[in-house]
Amino acid sequence: NAGVTQTPKFRVLKTGQSMTLLCAQDMNHEYMYWYRQDPGMGLRLIHYSVGEGTTAKGEVPDGYNVSRLKKQNFLLGLESAAPSQTSVYFCASSYSTQNTGELFFGEGSRLTVL
Amino acid sequence: DAKTTQPNSMESNEEEPVHLPCNHSTISGTDYIHWYRQLPSQGPEYVIHGLTSNVNNRMASLAIAEDRKSSTLILHRATLRDAAVYYCILHQAGTALIFGKGTTLSVSS
Repeated sequence: NAGVTQTPKFRVLKTGQSMTLLCAQDMNHEYMYWYRQDPGMGLRLIHYSVGEGTTAKGEVPDGYNVSRLKKQNFLLGLESAAPSQTSVYFCASSYSTQNTGELFFGEGSRLTVL
Repeated sequence: DAKTTQPNSMESNEEEPVHLPCNHSTISGTDYIHWYRQLPSQGPEYVIHGLTSNVNNRMASLAIAEDRKSSTLILHRATLRDAAVYYCILHQAGTALIFGKGTTLSVSS
């Protein structure tokens, strides 16, 4: 099993460009999450999904859109990238959000917006 | 959301036990206490979680105060590989995990 796979791992964008980060999991998990992590900070939740076709906002959703068309994939989109979105993005998945639900994280995608 | 308070950093020597504290004075009866850690340049990984009773697994032990207002993650014998940021998180069922800044643990040989 690959677990949680994020693509791309690195990307440089110019301000105003758009891009999509792909997260794929092969554990048949219902729940998927996108977090961002800035230097010296903890992770902040952007959006999450509790199942195919559903999405919900997290702590810092502005400037991002997400889609969960297939259970195994969770896409994070930036329509018009800004320098403030320079960060490391982590995707995670879990079987459930119940109290015993362990999160499995990807290795991260480092995005730089110039 | 109930919040946790952790020291910014701690230091340890290799092969010694490490006690990482976490205060959560506003914890509710249905909050589970989760611990994750993040090794350098990696995504976080699950360590342990508990509700009321102390918990042990292959990675660590979790000691929960009787009033549940604090907890301690115990690494029984620290190794260099245990150097990481450790996050203490309160989790309500049906919600996503919200991370704080965690404790940066340094381990010296």
